[in-house]
Amino acid sequence: EVQLVESGGDLVQPGGSLRLSCAASGFTLSDHYMDWVRQAPGKGLEWVATIRNRDNRYTTEYAASVRGRFTVSTDDSKKSLYLQMNSLNTDDTAVYFCVRAGFDNAWYVGGVWGQGTTVTVSS
Amino acid sequence: DIQMTQSPYSLSASVGDRVTITCRASQGINSYLAWFQQKPGKAPKSLIYKISSLQSGVPSKFSGSGSGTDFTLTISSLQPEDFATYYCQQYQGYPLTFGQGTKVEIK
Repeated sequence: EVQLVESGGDLVQPGGSLRLSCAASGFTLSDHYMDWVRQAPGKGLEWVATIRNRDNRYTTEYAASVRGRFTVSTDDSKKSLYLQMNSLNTDDTAVYFCVRAGFDNAWYVGGVWGQGTTVTVSS
Repeated sequence: DIQMTQSPYSLSASVGDRVTITCRASQGINSYLAWFQQKPGKAPKSLIYKISSLQSGVPSKFSGSGSGTDFTLTISSLQPEDFATYYCQQYQGYPLTFGQGTKVEIK
């Protein structure tokens, strides 16, 4: 069974850092595109970052709102996806979801979602 | 950036109703359109990708259609478990963008 389990969410002060983890099971992480998507309290979904698969050299994409502050990475040996978040501000307060893309002759988004981990940025 | 606009923002419907939600892209996105369902306090769930391809395990009462910039999600006969918020997302290009969501409520 494909499963994604996020962890690392916490209360952090503005300007602080946090690293989120996503443990993947039931599939080979390096074969898939992976995304981070967030949802601020009472708001809609916002794409944060993408890391492509090994065949595409793990290249990355970021939303403008996080570019230069957030870094997405994977560790195949630990079967984990990460999101390093620096210079956090109150606008980063959200539930963060780890998402595995699907493949059906071509990649498509949002195939499998984790349960989310909550990040609160507040003094 | 490609803007995704859903309508309506919310709707009230009865069990058994046919419900249609619209998603409009600010430019053509070919077939790179997905739909998700989210219930309160839960992670989103994939319903449809590539405009009309049903995700494995999703009941056939859900269907997607459209082309170019205009797309629809249809629920053929609304059931109690279908009351939720629905989002469209384009994956034609980065940044990936979502619609603002459509909340389907019980009438």
